[in-house]
Amino acid sequence: AQSVAQPEDQVNVAEGNPLTVKCTYSVSGNPYLFWYVQYPNRGLQFLLKYITGDNLVKGSYGFEAEFNKSQTSFHLKKPSALVSDSALYFCAVRDAVMDSSYKLIFGSGTRLLVRP
Amino acid sequence: DADVTQTPRNRITKTGKRIMLECSQTKGHDRMYWYRQDPGLGLRLIYYSFDVKDINKGEISDGYSVSRQAQAKFSLSLESAIPNQTALYFCATSVGRGAYEQYFGPGTRLTVT
Repeated sequence: AQSVAQPEDQVNVAEGNPLTVKCTYSVSGNPYLFWYVQYPNRGLQFLLKYITGDNLVKGSYGFEAEFNKSQTSFHLKKPSALVSDSALYFCAVRDAVMDSSYKLIFGSGTRLLVRP
Repeated sequence: DADVTQTPRNRITKTGKRIMLECSQTKGHDRMYWYRQDPGLGLRLIYYSFDVKDINKGEISDGYSVSRQAQAKFSLSLESAIPNQTALYFCATSVGRGAYEQYFGPGTRLTVT
């Protein structure tokens, strides 16, 4: 069965410092991996995705994520955090081979708080 | 995302009432999804539809039904609302097969008293 784990309910970081939001996954086949961000009273916004190829994926707003197959991880990173990055972040996975429904499995979310 | 709209945005209803949540999209996508979000649980899939004649249950479909009235419209109904259906509901769309991301509406906050 597919699953996603976001081990941290909240991540606190000072503005200007690098940030990492962790995600690990489990699928039977090859993963398609996604990161979404949710601002208060808004829907989820797509940040980036990994399909294949380069393990470092760059996305919107200066975010990037590193795919690590051996550790089954897809951590979200940003070199220099902004206060405006404060939001709820979701990792999601789809099994590229075994799942014909094309549905995403979401993690429980990590709240990022960037302090000035 | 203004391309995916949901109505109403907020709704308070009583136990046992029937309620419909509506979703419309102008993205021209074939695939549409309904999720519910609960604190600490992330998003869980209720129903999904690949086209007007192809509707499928997700992981938590009990107590819900859907209707795909057109390519652009996908409605979620609670036939007899109960308090544990209090949640934030999201509609999403995506295009075709492959590793395409989903685009989400702004959500409907539903409270069942």
